[in-house]
Amino acid sequence: GAGVSQSPRYKVAKRGQDVALRCDPISGHVSLFWYQQALGQGPEFLTYFQNEAQLDKSGLPSDRFFAERPEGSVSTLKIQRTQQEDSAVYLCASSLAIPGSVNYGYTFGSGTRLTVV
Amino acid sequence: SQQGEEDPQALSIQEGENATMNCSYKTSINNLQWYRQNSGRGLVHLILIRSNEREKHSGRLRVTLDTSKKSSSLLITASRAADTASYFCATLGAGSYQLTFGKGTKLSVIP
Repeated sequence: GAGVSQSPRYKVAKRGQDVALRCDPISGHVSLFWYQQALGQGPEFLTYFQNEAQLDKSGLPSDRFFAERPEGSVSTLKIQRTQQEDSAVYLCASSLAIPGSVNYGYTFGSGTRLTVV
Repeated sequence: SQQGEEDPQALSIQEGENATMNCSYKTSINNLQWYRQNSGRGLVHLILIRSNEREKHSGRLRVTLDTSKKSSSLLITASRAADTASYFCATLGAGSYQLTFGKGTKLSVIP
């Protein structure tokens, strides 16, 4: 597709439930990022993939968060045993190049709004 | 943690006026980017300025970068109601993969 696609658009989970959020990046984009955005705040970095390799997962807030990109295209962010503080918009972004190598910005998806009740 | 700090937090102007938003950051950067976010939507990349550049233009947008002061500004000229959105600066640290965002400036352009 022409843009980064995320699904579902909205997700309501009961506390303790596991959720899986999907990201379809732009075809051929090497870099893929996950960000978490709380209400009224800027996005916070979660993790970075270069093709299928997860090169930076320093932003994942706990071991309940897990991300994968097994074939270097689609990525899934999984949150186990969801807590109320996990409620946020989860944004995926992709880029044609490695960060800093060229003058490309990132293309963001519209995000998944997760509400934990 | 968020490195950038945008100033002001909110800005309200009349259509046709210019809007200036500022951003300060803390560490050495490879580049600095500005993004726009409409309510409930994803972020849209506006402009990127590298650490060795001082000024860049794109249409009605003008970005400046002062690495000695660790600050940047975004100027939107001849604003339109459609420019109403939140604007974020984001820095890519030298040798880092992380694009670090500030908290944003909420711009309202009144028709």
